[in-house]
Amino acid sequence: EVQLVESGGGLVQPGGSLRLSCAASGFTVSSNYMSWVRQAPGKGLEWVSVIYSGGSTYYADSVKGRFTISRDNSKNTLYLQMNSLRAEDTAVYYCARDKLYYDILTGYYTWFDYWGQGTLVTVSS
Amino acid sequence: DIQMTQSPSSVSASVGDRVTITCRASQGISSWLAWYQQKPGKAPKLLIYAASSLQSGVPSRFSGSGSGTDFTLTISSLQPEDFATYYCQQANSFPQVTFGGGTKVEIK
Repeated sequence: EVQLVESGGGLVQPGGSLRLSCAASGFTVSSNYMSWVRQAPGKGLEWVSVIYSGGSTYYADSVKGRFTISRDNSKNTLYLQMNSLRAEDTAVYYCARDKLYYDILTGYYTWFDYWGQGTLVTVSS
Repeated sequence: DIQMTQSPSSVSASVGDRVTITCRASQGISSWLAWYQQKPGKAPKLLIYAASSLQSGVPSRFSGSGSGTDFTLTISSLQPEDFATYYCQQANSFPQVTFGGGTKVEIK
């Protein structure tokens, strides 16, 4: 059974740092594209970052230069290192497995077929 | 960025009703659209991908249609467990996907 379990959220002051973890079971993280998606309180969903199976990483403009996605293959775990946190980063952070589709003519497309339960990050003084 | 606009933002319906939710993309995205269901305090659940493909395990009362810029999610006969918020997501601008603002389906 596929399972994703996030941890590491909490209260942090503006300008502070936090590292989120997402422990996976039932599949291999390094063989998949994996993403972080966040949801501010009472708001919609926002894609944050992805790490490809090959190791390439991409970020939303809102977090570029401040957040770093990584993985530990030996622990089958995904991470999100968040630095220089701002009040607007307050959200529930979900890790998700990309359900990737490749079209030979037009390229890659993705949606998210498994999600963790989420971990709340609150940035406040 | 591709903007996704959902309508209505909320809908009141009764058990057994047919419910239709609309999602419009700011530019053409072919059929690269997904729909999710989210219940309070829970993670989103993938319902539909590629505009009309039903994710494994999802009841057949859920269906999706559309292409280009206009898409719909239809629940053919609303069940008590379907009261939730629904989000569309465009997959065209991989990897920077974007979501719609959500549609809350409430009990009438």
